[in-house]
Amino acid sequence: TQLLEQSPQFLSIQEGENLTVYCNSSSVFSSLQWYRQEPGEGPVLLVTVVTGGEVKKLKRLTFQFGDARKDSSLHITAAQPGDTGLYLCAGVVGSARQLTFGSGTQLTVLP
Amino acid sequence: GAGVSQSPSNKVTEKGKDVELRCDPISGHTALYWYRQSLGQGLEFLIYFQGNSAPDKSGLPSDRFSAERTGGSVSTLTIQRTQQEDSAVYLCASSLVLTGGLGTQYFGPGTRLTVL
Repeated sequence: TQLLEQSPQFLSIQEGENLTVYCNSSSVFSSLQWYRQEPGEGPVLLVTVVTGGEVKKLKRLTFQFGDARKDSSLHITAAQPGDTGLYLCAGVVGSARQLTFGSGTQLTVLP
Repeated sequence: GAGVSQSPSNKVTEKGKDVELRCDPISGHTALYWYRQSLGQGLEFLIYFQGNSAPDKSGLPSDRFSAERTGGSVSTLTIQRTQQEDSAVYLCASSLVLTGGLGTQYFGPGTRLTVL
């Protein structure tokens, strides 16, 4: 059983469209991170959220941490081909000393 | 500055052989992590090292897997008697502090292991 469930698993959209990716769990996370990974490279950290209800914006990307700190979402406005990649959420449960990663959402933005 | 480097970038081996994967973390980073990633999937935690503390080996899938970190810097992940299910990308990451929710892990490009 995956501790962090991401949906959708695959997403293919046209340039200019908006999209939302979800990261859900039954566990409470002390913090949650979003990464983007491109082929042949390691994941790169996009954002860290720590407070329930927190919203962070990074240019066209908006990240939200659920009030109960069990879920998170990533919204991309006016997607561009450069947004293509594997988006991963990862969280820390309680005082654990490791990140638990979700299964990822493979996003393809077509020109 | 230099990021996390891993070698080799690709490794093809035969079932039953031993392999060693190397990770050079960012200089000064005290924490080092190994993960395994199957094609297009999320990362599976394997092991981490923090300073001089005993490593957390809780993610190692079997006793065929082991890792060491020499001098608090370079780390080697060893897989003995490789099996086909060991085929994956092995990623290394390092950070300045132990990830307790606020640390940033910097990842290497990974080693793609294929066991024939």
